[in-house]
Amino acid sequence: DTGVSQDPRHKITKRGQNVTFRCDPISEHNRLYWYRQTLGQGPEFLTYFQNEAQLEKSRLLSDRFSAERPKGSFSTLEIQRTEQGDSAMYLCASSLWRGSPDEQFFGPGTRLTVL
Amino acid sequence: RKEVEQDPGPFNVPEGATVAFNCTYSNSASQSFFWYRQDCRKEPKLLMSVYSSGNEDGRFTAQLNRASQYISLLIRDSKLSDSATYLCVVNAGGSYIPTFGRGTSLIVHP
Repeated sequence: DTGVSQDPRHKITKRGQNVTFRCDPISEHNRLYWYRQTLGQGPEFLTYFQNEAQLEKSRLLSDRFSAERPKGSFSTLEIQRTEQGDSAMYLCASSLWRGSPDEQFFGPGTRLTVL
Repeated sequence: RKEVEQDPGPFNVPEGATVAFNCTYSNSASQSFFWYRQDCRKEPKLLMSVYSSGNEDGRFTAQLNRASQYISLLIRDSKLSDSATYLCVVNAGGSYIPTFGRGTSLIVHP
């Protein structure tokens, strides 16, 4: 399968714990996006990378959230000191940026439940 | 006012019906627009891009109205399999940050 993959698919954690999610994009894609989606809402932009550079981060994003994309390949999203409000589906998407927005390919998501 | 607004629905239509959704956006500098489809508990997938001149793909037609700042999606001859949530996406600004609407739910019944 050459699509976007995410790991784990589900994560249950206790409030205050740290969690880390991984996203493997389509190999030739240079852009990688992270989103958060809650029930009844569309995906909310969190951050994105072009190759290994993090170019934009949502102003609404708490400093408990951090993302990396070493070597411009896979990416990790870490949430420190989780709160119940962090419970959501975390989606990763990748695209091939050629100067203008194009189709984003989404992974299946990681569903986070904070108890 | 939200950057991108959609009527959440649900739109409940019989098979064969024609249904249309609108999506309004607030940033007049928005440059590119898309419609995505999301099935229940699945990831979003691109349905179609929205060009200034409009775009048609089979039973689906997307239009852009820059003056009134909205995009539309028309589905003709609805099928049961069209039941899903339809998300509009607007990209604005120099870095083209994608902003999704909350989605419009479509239910096509026999």
